[in-house]
Amino acid sequence: SQELEQSPQSLIVQEGKNLTINCTSSKTLYGLYWYKQKYGEGLIFLMMLQKGGEEKSHEKITAKLDEKKQQSSLHITASQPSHAGIYLCGADSWGKFQFGAGTQVVVTP
Amino acid sequence: NAGVMQNPRHLVRRRGQEARLRCSPMKGHSHVYWYRQLPEEGLKFMVYLQKENIIDESGMPKERFSAEFPKEGPSILRIQQVVRGDSAAYFCASSPKGDGYTFGSGTRLTVV
Repeated sequence: SQELEQSPQSLIVQEGKNLTINCTSSKTLYGLYWYKQKYGEGLIFLMMLQKGGEEKSHEKITAKLDEKKQQSSLHITASQPSHAGIYLCGADSWGKFQFGAGTQVVVTP
Repeated sequence: NAGVMQNPRHLVRRRGQEARLRCSPMKGHSHVYWYRQLPEEGLKFMVYLQKENIIDESGMPKERFSAEFPKEGPSILRIQQVVRGDSAAYFCASSPKGDGYTFGSGTRLTVV
């Protein structure tokens, strides 16, 4: 089965600074999803990437999928307290959706 | 078009009781997936169902856990004789044909 590794496991960033989260797969990705989960809440869909080299942006969040479709990054520009939470990457693996372990993001004043 | 509905949002059970978690997929979605998120861990796949069929249950614990997705009505994840270690958030996702997943808000089970 496909393994998704996320890094870092957690990070603390000062408000206004940028941050990047990586998601690496052991196999070619045919659909890479990014979700955000706030503590005690459900999953919020952020973006889905399918094509090699694809890049999508929504507000201050940009996600990219590399040409080989084995690595994705999520970049947040000028972080705000509302960006705090757990970010999860997920991918379809033979009809079974797999998740990375998640990256906990803390935004400090 | 309502999203994936899970209920209850919070469920408290005493050790030894049964827990029933419900998931109503989005309209038109015939594929349902259940995931478990233990405290401090990521989401782990449990089971994949289509209407009336279990497609993949490789992530389900061998005992006490069962899942169904009947022809009519929601998908049910059933945990018998709950133990403290079952305390977790359980998420359900649905899709129309195996991709394009939509997640519910989850059910938080607490076993006391």
